Amino acid sequence: DTGVSQDPRHKITKRGQNVTFRCDPISEHNRLYWYRQTLGQGPEFLTYFQNEAQLEKSRLLSDRFSAERPKGSFSTLEIQRTEQGDSAMYLCALRGGTEGTDTQYFGPGTRLTVL
Amino acid sequence: AQSVAQPEDQVNVAEGNPLTVKCTYSVSGNPYLFWYVQYPNRGLQFLLKYITGDNLVKGSYGFEAEFNKSQTSFHLKKPSALVSDSALYFCAVRDRSGGYNKLIFGAGTRLAVHP
Repeated sequence: DTGVSQDPRHKITKRGQNVTFRCDPISEHNRLYWYRQTLGQGPEFLTYFQNEAQLEKSRLLSDRFSAERPKGSFSTLEIQRTEQGDSAMYLCALRGGTEGTDTQYFGPGTRLTVL
Repeated sequence: AQSVAQPEDQVNVAEGNPLTVKCTYSVSGNPYLFWYVQYPNRGLQFLLKYITGDNLVKGSYGFEAEFNKSQTSFHLKKPSALVSDSALYFCAVRDRSGGYNKLIFGAGTRLAVHP
């Protein structure tokens, strides 16, 4: 148990539809990251939250993507007008825990398939 | 720019034999290095990290990694492989360029341990 859950685990959608994913830390963590992992690649950074503030966004996060963390606890990632290239695993990670403040712990991910 | 390279797409090893999964890095300043493992349809699971101190780092499930500054390498090792070690392994380096400690991952190495 990494201390973070993600919902849904799988999402299949048609091109042009909007989708929203949710990340829920089990306990209080002020540092939260989103990554995207495409097939055959390592995860790539999308965005970072410290509490409710979104402090860094990757250039990968186009204007169709938006992320929020309204109360500094759970976070949502929305993709508008999905494209086939958005098909990927979307991973949420928390930083800090028993292994120290430098370590990130990942949720199980949401696998998105855009038809 | 900071980067990580995993030169092998796949490593094959017989059960009971030692295994090595290679990783080289390029960073400015002192590196913070990590290894993660990913099982099918799962998120990333933390194995071990190097921050400072001893060059040989011990982690979960009998894995260890050797930090070599002169060769800019951080190879993952295990003295005796198990079939259950078969998975995707990712090396990562902390990127402080944005100030928020995101991780930069290699492309991953698939480890196949044969009975």
